[in-house]
Amino acid sequence: ILNVEQSPQSLHVQEGDSTNFTCSFPSSNFYALHWYRWETAKSPEALFVMTLNGDEKKKGRISATLNTKEGYSYLYIKGSQPEDSATYLCALLNSGTYKYIFGTGTRLKVLA
Amino acid sequence: DAGVIQSPRHEVTEMGQEVTLRCKPISGHNSLFWYRQTMMRGLELLIYFNNNVPIDDSGMPEDRFSAKMPNASFSTLKIQPSEPRDSAVYFCASRPGQGIYNEQFFGPGTRLTVL
Repeated sequence: ILNVEQSPQSLHVQEGDSTNFTCSFPSSNFYALHWYRWETAKSPEALFVMTLNGDEKKKGRISATLNTKEGYSYLYIKGSQPEDSATYLCALLNSGTYKYIFGTGTRLKVLA
Repeated sequence: DAGVIQSPRHEVTEMGQEVTLRCKPISGHNSLFWYRQTMMRGLELLIYFNNNVPIDDSGMPEDRFSAKMPNASFSTLKIQPSEPRDSAVYFCASRPGQGIYNEQFFGPGTRLTVL
């Protein structure tokens, strides 16, 4: 079973700080890795989809990288703003089953 | 498009009652997923459909849970009888086909409380 781990579980940063967190997985036996942003009382929203080793995606101040050889993806937020406060989830689309396996998320709180 | 629609948004019921959660996927999406979110286990996949056919229901916790998709625009998740440990937020998501770059779009969720 493909296991997805995210770290840290939660973190607080000051407004303006840059931050990053990790999604790690033991095997590259998946089709794609997805990052989601999940605000409290809302539903998860897709941020990025990555498939290839070395993929890098960017959307505004948020970017992500994928390293399938070493089994991790990083999500970076440059110059954090209070509106970035959310839980960031990563999910793998499992090869063969086409099922998504989600990590437990990183809860980010940006302090004004 | 209105996005994925779920109803009800909140449901409070008593143990032993039947609960039916409803989902309308985004028009044209042919994959539909039911998830359960709890504090302990995070977001868990219960079942998913492709072209209205259940593909994998291995995440359905037990026989008290059942899901149907009678047509491309409607799915239900039923719990009968409900128990307090079923209390959770249930999300429905849809996806436009099985292409690996296709994203899932989540509904707003149904918060279920079983007393």
